[in-house]
Amino acid sequence: EADIYQTPRYLVIGTGKKITLECSQTMGHDKMYWYQQDPGMELHLIHYSYGVNSTEKGDLSSESTVSRIRTEHFPLTLESARPSHTSQYLCASSDLSSGNTIYFGEGSWLTVV
Amino acid sequence: AQTVTQSQPEMSVQEAETVTLSCTYDTSENNYYLFWYKQPPSRQMILVIRQEAYKQQNATENRFSVNFQKAAKSFSLKISDSQLGDTAMYFCAFMNTGNQFYFGTGTSLTVIP
Repeated sequence: EADIYQTPRYLVIGTGKKITLECSQTMGHDKMYWYQQDPGMELHLIHYSYGVNSTEKGDLSSESTVSRIRTEHFPLTLESARPSHTSQYLCASSDLSSGNTIYFGEGSWLTVV
Repeated sequence: AQTVTQSQPEMSVQEAETVTLSCTYDTSENNYYLFWYKQPPSRQMILVIRQEAYKQQNATENRFSVNFQKAAKSFSLKISDSQLGDTAMYFCAFMNTGNQFYFGTGTSLTVIP
């Protein structure tokens, strides 16, 4: 299995709260991604990064923000959570060293009540 | 723009039988990568098999093989001797020369004992 870790795995929070989903990888990959996925549904790219200090918005409009201060760390922040943010969030990374294969974390299941 | 299409939302197969999952994609590029990923229920997304477009030989990984038809832009996954542990969502994915990934909508496969 790939060395990419997400915390928390499961979280229930109240509307209006601020939450940061952590993602770390120990493979030294330059590229990192955040996907949103409802159960049994397709993946939607919400943010990606091609390296330190690089962040881009993905295809799906999101009210979240990301930062990439260190190669191994790519946290996702929701400033004010809403019930519509309830979903699974998948962090991933890839690199030439991985043969351009994208590796996924175990996911963070977020429920906003 | 690249798109990935999986036309089979759900499939089932008897244990020990063979099943083929379909995937087509659209691109104007000549060099790219194709992947099949497996996502078991509530578990991590993992790589099943990958294919480089410049390689004519179909990739094989134990019971998993692909039928890559570059001219037809088709990339189907064949699972032989299906096992109960193969029950999962399967996502076809495409990576272009800009290292951007595109995922299909997924096929839910159920292996019936």
